Amino acid sequence: DGGITQSPKYLFRKEGQNVTLSCEQNLNHDAMYWYRQDPGQGLRLIYYSQIVNDFQKGDIAEGYSVSREKKESFPLTVTSAQKNPTAFYLCASSRQDYGYTFGSGTRLTVV
Amino acid sequence: KNEVEQSPQNLTAQEGEFITINCSYSVGISALHWLQQHPGGGIVSLFMLSSGKKKHGRLIATINIQEKHSSLHITASHPRDSAVYICAVREGTSGSRLTFGEGTQLTVNP
Repeated sequence: DGGITQSPKYLFRKEGQNVTLSCEQNLNHDAMYWYRQDPGQGLRLIYYSQIVNDFQKGDIAEGYSVSREKKESFPLTVTSAQKNPTAFYLCASSRQDYGYTFGSGTRLTVV
Repeated sequence: KNEVEQSPQNLTAQEGEFITINCSYSVGISALHWLQQHPGGGIVSLFMLSSGKKKHGRLIATINIQEKHSSLHITASHPRDSAVYICAVREGTSGSRLTFGEGTQLTVNP
């Protein structure tokens, strides 16, 4: 079955460390997205990519970086510059005029 | 003011009740999505609407483009319907990105 795989499900990071969240899709979708969810708030867009080797900043890109070297993969790096990284991170993909598919999320905690 | 507003924020119902969740938005859109998020965090897409009404099982979604309003209805609610329901819009000029409401926490008691 096609879908999106996010890993790991839970991630713990020490302050000052970079950490990379994985997102892989086998749906042949062109567009991929990273969202952040905090308690009591709607999902907010971090970065998105509509084509391989191209990506755009979303509303809260500071302290994050991405790459899109393959259509299937859109990893997100949470850098030490992100001041409040503890959150739930969701990856999604879409194809023109079709709905979205979401991953199961990664819960990142800074310890 | 958020571009996408949902009401109510929290909703508690008894099993079997008819449930309505509302979504209002302030921008021009090309599509509206209703999503379901279970306690584990994963999100499932329920509906994508650009006009009219869609039905899937006990779920019905409607949209009124002129009034910039959509509703999600659940008939004969069941405890397994307990989840967060999220409205999201794809703005007409923003390509494929979505803007999300804050979600409605639904609890259905047996």
